[in-house]
Amino acid sequence: KAGVTQTPRYLIKTRGQQVTLSCSPISGHRSVSWYQQTPGQGLQFLFEYFSETQRNKGNFPGRFSGRQFSNSRSEMNVSTLELGDSALYLCASSLVWDRGASYNEQFFGPGTRLTVL
Amino acid sequence: DQQVKQNSPSLSVQEGRISILNCDYTNSMFDYFLWYKKYPAEGPTFLISISSIKDKNEDGRFTVFLNKSAKHLSLHIVPSQPGDSAVYFCAATNTNAGKSTFGDGTTLTVKP
Repeated sequence: KAGVTQTPRYLIKTRGQQVTLSCSPISGHRSVSWYQQTPGQGLQFLFEYFSETQRNKGNFPGRFSGRQFSNSRSEMNVSTLELGDSALYLCASSLVWDRGASYNEQFFGPGTRLTVL
Repeated sequence: DQQVKQNSPSLSVQEGRISILNCDYTNSMFDYFLWYKKYPAEGPTFLISISSIKDKNEDGRFTVFLNKSAKHLSLHIVPSQPGDSAVYFCAATNTNAGKSTFGDGTTLTVKP
């Protein structure tokens, strides 16, 4: 079974540009979450999509947005890039996330390393 | 307000000894906890989890302990092996909210 794939793996952009990152979850997984990892900041939750709907959102500005397609693939977009957006962006999928039920572990992709110059 | 804290950024242990990684949380709504392991240039991988209705879960060399009254969980690795050297993240989940909160991670180095 193929794992979570993220493209591209590395990206270099300049301030003010915008970027789109892509995530393909494990086949059959319907929940996709995005995280930002910066040195010393751990994994900061961006948002979570389930069945093409954003169910949860972290504390990030509106420049960060995302969407999920009918095949569960997800994209994340960052507009008007800032130097502080340089980070590893991780996508994670899980089979389903039933609120109040046992947690379904998340499977992470390798991440996209974004560098903003 | 950091709801999940891993106060030790790094830990170094000798091969064969016990590694103990700690995690503290503040939100009493968290009801499920997980540990992930991350190697460089890879995404985190799930290691072990524990529900808030338990106080211990064991899987081979890995044991997670949960102290709900102290809002503290720990991961024990016995015996530690050089291949265990990685960054370990604890994550706390409020299953009703459908959201996980991660700590900043602890870098474990196991010396041969």
